[in-house]
Amino acid sequence: AQSVTQLDSQVPVFEEAPVELRCNYSSSVSVYLFWYVQYPNQGLQLLLKYLSGSTLVKGINGFEAEFNKSQTSFHLRKPSVHISDTAEYFCAVSESYKLSFGAGTTVTVRA
Amino acid sequence: GAGVSQSPSNKVTEKGKDVELRCDPISGHTALYWYRQSLGQGLEFLIYFQGNSAPDKSGLPSDRFSAERTGGSVSTLTIQRTQQEDSAVYLCASSSQSLNTEAFFGQGTRLTVV
Repeated sequence: AQSVTQLDSQVPVFEEAPVELRCNYSSSVSVYLFWYVQYPNQGLQLLLKYLSGSTLVKGINGFEAEFNKSQTSFHLRKPSVHISDTAEYFCAVSESYKLSFGAGTTVTVRA
Repeated sequence: GAGVSQSPSNKVTEKGKDVELRCDPISGHTALYWYRQSLGQGLEFLIYFQGNSAPDKSGLPSDRFSAERTGGSVSTLTIQRTQQEDSAVYLCASSSQSLNTEAFFGQGTRLTVV
């Protein structure tokens, strides 16, 4: 069985500062990894995904994530955040077809 | 349609009543998922449909919950004899194959049981 742990429930950050959201997963087999973002009062949309190949994955809005198999991690980063990045971020793991989500990290960007 | 459509967007119901939530996936998507999003709980998998295969119902929390998908397209999630703990946002997603491809989510139905 797979599980996803997002280590930070809330991350306050100042505008133009970097941010890192941590995600660890547990699975006995190869998985696919995703980060989704949910802006206030909106549905989830895909930020980026890791399927295979290069462990550094670039997504939309300047986000990137690095897959580390030995540490079973898939941390999300952005070098300089904007006010508009205020949202909830979900890490997800797919083993076969079932997509399992972490509890989410709320990012609040302040001027 | 252009995206996954869910209706209603908001539903307030009295405890003990039955409710039906509808999901209209992206045309041509064979996979359809239901998730429940509770405050501070992340997203909880409920059920998965793939083409004509038997659905995976392993995430349904009780026998009060059921779902069907007619004609491989529209899906309905039914909750019978609603309880206050059923209050949550119910999200539907669809994808073209399985989850090594992107899943597209609807805006959700916010269910409040009073």
